[in-house]
This record gives sequence, C-alpha cells and structure tokens, in this order.
Amino acid sequence: DSGVTQTPKHLITATGQRVTLRCSPRSGDLSVYWYQQSLDQGLQFLIQYYNGEERAKGNILERFSAQQFPDLHSELNLSSLELGDSALYFCASSPIAGLNTEAFFGQGTRLTVV
Amino acid sequence: SQQGEEDPQALSIQEGENATMNCSYKTSINNLQWYRQNSGRGLVHLILIRSNEREKHSGRLRVTLDTSKKSSSLLITASRAADTASYFCATDSNQAGTALIFGKGTTLSVSS
Repeated sequence: DSGVTQTPKHLITATGQRVTLRCSPRSGDLSVYWYQQSLDQGLQFLIQYYNGEERAKGNILERFSAQQFPDLHSELNLSSLELGDSALYFCASSPIAGLNTEAFFGQGTRLTVV
Repeated sequence: SQQGEEDPQALSIQEGENATMNCSYKTSINNLQWYRQNSGRGLVHLILIRSNEREKHSGRLRVTLDTSKKSSSLLITASRAADTASYFCATDSNQAGTALIFGKGTTLSVSS
C-alpha cells in the first residue's frame, strides 16, 4: 500500500460527459502529480501541484483541469469526454517538489468512455 | 513527450535467468529512476540513481548510468516468476519542470 488513495477505481461514462477523479496523497506529501496511461501513448505526465499551486504542466488537454485543495487532496476534472480519453489515470505524490526522491503512486482510476 | 525509451519492449526469460533492460534518454538529467508496474496496477519505485553515480544496487537489482551515452540499464538477477511486470525508467525533464517523465516500458515475462 503506497498510502496514495484514488477514487473511484472504475468509472464508465458517455461521450460528452464530465467526470472528477480524486486523489489523496500520502500523509505529509506536498506534491501531487497526475498521469494518464493508455496503450498507445504510454504513461503521459499531465500536471503537477505543489502545496496548492500548479508547479508543472505536461500534455494536459484544455478540456482537462486539476486543482489541489488546502488539505492537499487533488482532483482532476475531465470534460467533454471523448472515446480516446479512455485510459488509466494515476495520481502520485512525493514529499517535495523536486525529483531527488521517489514518487508514490495510487492504484489508478480506470476510465472508460462509451 | 517521452524522455526515456526502454529497450527491449518485451522480454521473456526462464526463472533463474538474468534480465537486462535498457533506457535511453534525450536531455541532461539530475537523476534517473526505475519503476515497476504489475498489470493494471500502480507503479512502484525500485531505485533512484543520481547523475554523479555510475552504479547502484538494491537486492537483486543493479542499475547503471552512463551520462555520456545518456543511457541506463536495469539488471534483475536470478529472476523469479513474481518479477513478471512492466519496468519503466523515469527522468526529470527541463521541459516539464519537476515532474517525472516516463518511457513506454519493458514488459518482462518470467516463466517457471
């Protein structure tokens, strides 16, 4: 158990809909990362938050947004969903913003868009 | 975009054999990490090697780093069926700031 909790574990929704994925980082970790994993694109970095502020941005679509709340949990919002958004979405956390430490991954949310 | 590229994409070996996976990356790094993923589950950190280190060991794992060639290798000795998983290298990236950028991984299958 990594200590990172993601909910829900599975999500099935229709095209055009909006969903929210939730991540609770390990206790004490200030940094949260979101990744998308699909068969064709591999593990793509979406966005990072550190102590409530956006820290780094990767290949995140404009239809996607995220935030980190004062209690450090994070939410990833996906809107106007398309079939191609079907993927595993992972959240990871680390104690600091830098990369001189390991990241701890949650078990992921499997999103299926039909 | 991918920073690291693992090679081979897939590897099948027998229990007891050694498995070697390679990772090449494009830009300079501060450190490189290896992660393991069992099918459909979260990634688990294996080892971190800093840019000023050449080799690091952890149990049956040995990681090397050659910054001049921008490459790293992960060696798993005396493989077990439980080592069956996908293995990813991850690097920091100037483009992404402080985020880990992963390659597409090597899928290792160890048969008994």
